Amino acid sequence: AQSVTQPDIHITVSEGASLELRCNYSYGATPYLFWYVQSPGQGLQLLLKYFSGDTLVQGIKGFEAEFKRSQSSFNLRKPSVHWSDAAEYFCAVGLNYGGSQGNLIFGKGTKLSVKP
Amino acid sequence: EPEVTQTPSHQVTQMGQEVILRCVPISNHLYFYWYRQILGQKVEFLVSFYNNEISEKSEIFDDQFSVERPDGSNFTLKIRSTKLEDSAMYFCASLRGEVNTGELFFGEGSRLTVL
Repeated sequence: AQSVTQPDIHITVSEGASLELRCNYSYGATPYLFWYVQSPGQGLQLLLKYFSGDTLVQGIKGFEAEFKRSQSSFNLRKPSVHWSDAAEYFCAVGLNYGGSQGNLIFGKGTKLSVKP
Repeated sequence: EPEVTQTPSHQVTQMGQEVILRCVPISNHLYFYWYRQILGQKVEFLVSFYNNEISEKSEIFDDQFSVERPDGSNFTLKIRSTKLEDSAMYFCASLRGEVNTGELFFGEGSRLTVL
């Protein structure tokens, strides 16, 4: 069965430090891959997505992610974290058939805390 | 910027009562979804809706749940007889429908508390 694993439940980084959030997926075909961010009391906002092509994708707010097929990973990175990045981050896999492209399987999320 | 709006933001209900959660998707979008997130757990797919019918549903979406698009703008999720375990944040999402380029837009969620 398809699944998404985010091994880190909670990460704390210092403001200005670099960040990498891990995501591994299990899926038979090439998936659509997404990172969403959820600030407290807010909905889910798309940071970036990978469908095909260049395996390094750029997103909003200075985030990027790299798809590594051999490792079944899609890790999210940011070179310098800002206090406003404190939120929960969700990796998701989209099942790529027909109209179900919106059927996403989410990981459990990684909560990011930023210390001054 | 167009957005998905959901009402109510928070609803408290008694077990066994019917609840309707409402969503107004982005106007030119074609696919509509409901997801839920039980506190502390992952976001889970419930149902997708296209061309006025359900296109896919998860095992969570049992006979107690129904969806409809009654007037071309609203998209509703009805829970017929709520259970304690239905307490969750329910997210509506919509997708314009472009093949391979689609981005799901999520609403801010409706928190349902069943007592």
